Amino acid sequence: GENVEQHPSTLSVQEGDSAVIKCTYSDSASNYFPWYKQELGKRPQLIIDIRSNVGEKKDQRIAVTLNKTAKHFSLHITETQPEDSAVYFCAASGEGNTDKLIFGTGTRLQVFP
Amino acid sequence: SAVISQKPSRDICQRGTSLTIQCQVDSQVTMMFWYRQQPGQSLTLIATANQGSEATYESGFVIDKFPISRPNLTFSTLTVSNMSPEDSSIYLCSVDYLGTEAFFGQGTRLTVV
Repeated sequence: GENVEQHPSTLSVQEGDSAVIKCTYSDSASNYFPWYKQELGKRPQLIIDIRSNVGEKKDQRIAVTLNKTAKHFSLHITETQPEDSAVYFCAASGEGNTDKLIFGTGTRLQVFP
Repeated sequence: SAVISQKPSRDICQRGTSLTIQCQVDSQVTMMFWYRQQPGQSLTLIATANQGSEATYESGFVIDKFPISRPNLTFSTLTVSNMSPEDSSIYLCSVDYLGTEAFFGQGTRLTVV
């Protein structure tokens, strides 16, 4: 089955700097890669996603890149703000569909003012 | 988007007892998913709840411990049976809405004493 690894486990940056979180996956059949933000005590919320027919996707300060050959994808947050502080999870669709998600281990991002 | 109502939001239970968690969606969805999130950890898929057939369990999870019902396309329940302190976690239901995004319920925070 699918296995997703995520690095780093914690990341501290100064406000205004960029943050990059990386994930690798094992199942070459996976074709959907979402990123979730989870604030303390709240449910995971989708912030951006990418499908295997696209190499990069951007939404304001957030971007995701995908390298299907190497089986890795990354989240890039530019101009970080204190409200970006949260735990971020990457995920990959198991069995090649958008339904069943296998999650990475999470990255705790802290943005210091 | 899909609106998911999950009940209860939290509970404290005695070991050896069972708790049933309900998940109600405001739209018909083909598949619903149940995840467990242990304290400070990532989300682990327990099972896929299929309407009209038995749930599909992931490795390490069994029906006797986590029986699931899916009586219709908008509702599912997860029961945590014969609980022990190791079952203390947040349990989340999730649905895939129109194949575009996975939405999560607000979670059930379970403490077993």
